[in-house]
Amino acid sequence: GNSVTQMEGPVTLSEEAFLTINCTYTATGYPSLFWYVQYPGEGLQLLLKATKADDKGSNKGFEATYRKETTSFHLEKGSVQVSDSAVYFCAHGGATNKLIFGTGTLLAVQP
Amino acid sequence: DGGITQSPKYLFRKEGQNVTLSCEQNLNHDAMYWYRQDPGQGLRLIYYSQIVNDFQKGDIAEGYSVSREKKESFPLTVTSAQKNPTAFYLCASSRTYPGLETQYFGPGTRLLVL
Repeated sequence: GNSVTQMEGPVTLSEEAFLTINCTYTATGYPSLFWYVQYPGEGLQLLLKATKADDKGSNKGFEATYRKETTSFHLEKGSVQVSDSAVYFCAHGGATNKLIFGTGTLLAVQP
Repeated sequence: DGGITQSPKYLFRKEGQNVTLSCEQNLNHDAMYWYRQDPGQGLRLIYYSQIVNDFQKGDIAEGYSVSREKKESFPLTVTSAQKNPTAFYLCASSRTYPGLETQYFGPGTRLLVL
């Protein structure tokens, strides 16, 4: 079936550390892939997306590359800030005509 | 500014009571969605609507109802049949329905049972 698996949190990092949040998916066809971010008490905001294999989405220093061969879309940032503390959701859409979300990964960045 | 508004921010429900959550968008989007968020479970789709006067059940529609009489509005009613309604409810919209489209989310409504 269609699903998204992302690494469990919480992920706790010191400021300026390197971030990776893993995301893998199962899907029919080649869906679009998304990372959304949710700050405390708020709705979700699109962080970045990629619509086809080998595309790299980027925004606010975050990057993720659509890897068809490994069915992955890992989120990375070279130097995290305290303000990046949030819950990050990986999602895919397309073939199923609806977004399938992972369970979310809580990131806590300490000064 | 274009966006999605949800009201109220917090809502309290008494046993046996129906409550309605409001969702309005001024993005001129055709598709709208309701999700439920519980801790550690990510987002689950309750209902979605591709176009005015049409809507379909999502993965967890039991105990909920919706209407789509206007393009801008997609209210969700949590009925007394929903036995565990305490959750964070998120409304979203997208330009068209297919999953290639980015979904834009409202700020959410937190529903609590008294």
